[in-house]
Amino acid sequence: SQQGEEDPQALSIQEGENATMNCSYKTSINNLQWYRQNSGRGLVHLILIRSNEREKHSGRLRVTLDTSKKSSSLLITASRAADTASYFCATDARGDYKLSFGAGTTVTVRA
Amino acid sequence: GAGVSQSPSNKVTEKGKDVELRCDPISGHTALYWYRQRLGQGLEFLIYFQGNSAPDKSGLPSDRFSAERTGESVSTLTIQRTQQEDSAVYLCASSLGGTRTGELFFGEGSRLTVL
Repeated sequence: SQQGEEDPQALSIQEGENATMNCSYKTSINNLQWYRQNSGRGLVHLILIRSNEREKHSGRLRVTLDTSKKSSSLLITASRAADTASYFCATDARGDYKLSFGAGTTVTVRA
Repeated sequence: GAGVSQSPSNKVTEKGKDVELRCDPISGHTALYWYRQRLGQGLEFLIYFQGNSAPDKSGLPSDRFSAERTGESVSTLTIQRTQQEDSAVYLCASSLGGTRTGELFFGEGSRLTVL
């Protein structure tokens, strides 16, 4: 079963706008990661946030983690056409080393 | 190699045939994962190898699926008597491993089509 669930399933925005997507999970975690997948390709790691962290930045990406609500958000600022992709959150439950992925959010950035 | 390598990139087979999918992880990565991704869906965990420990096979969907890993290098995922429902992209990933799960490095996947 999938640990994480992303919301929304799909998102369409104009170039230059911000894109926000959310991830909810069920059990206590060690860390939460976000990945990007361009159509037909493998996944690329974007950012990892540990359970004792609340916010992390990487370039135009901002990730928050609220362990009390078992949720995370990924914000992409000033989006570009190249950001068009599917975005997945992944978690590893405490005591378990395998990553569980959600179903993903498909982001389309219109020029 | 520089990244995770998977072969074949595409495989078309007839129902009932066996297939083998290969994964070459990044050198030095002790952890190796196999995932399945059906069209338009998320990743479904299949199996996890960590060093010389017994693999976590809890995600394998049936006894038609098996995987092996030679030491800390190449892994092979075998699907016997393939069914149409096995059609998917099979993704392999590796990581440094150890006591905490870190960043996974994915291959480009093997797209399996069962006719």
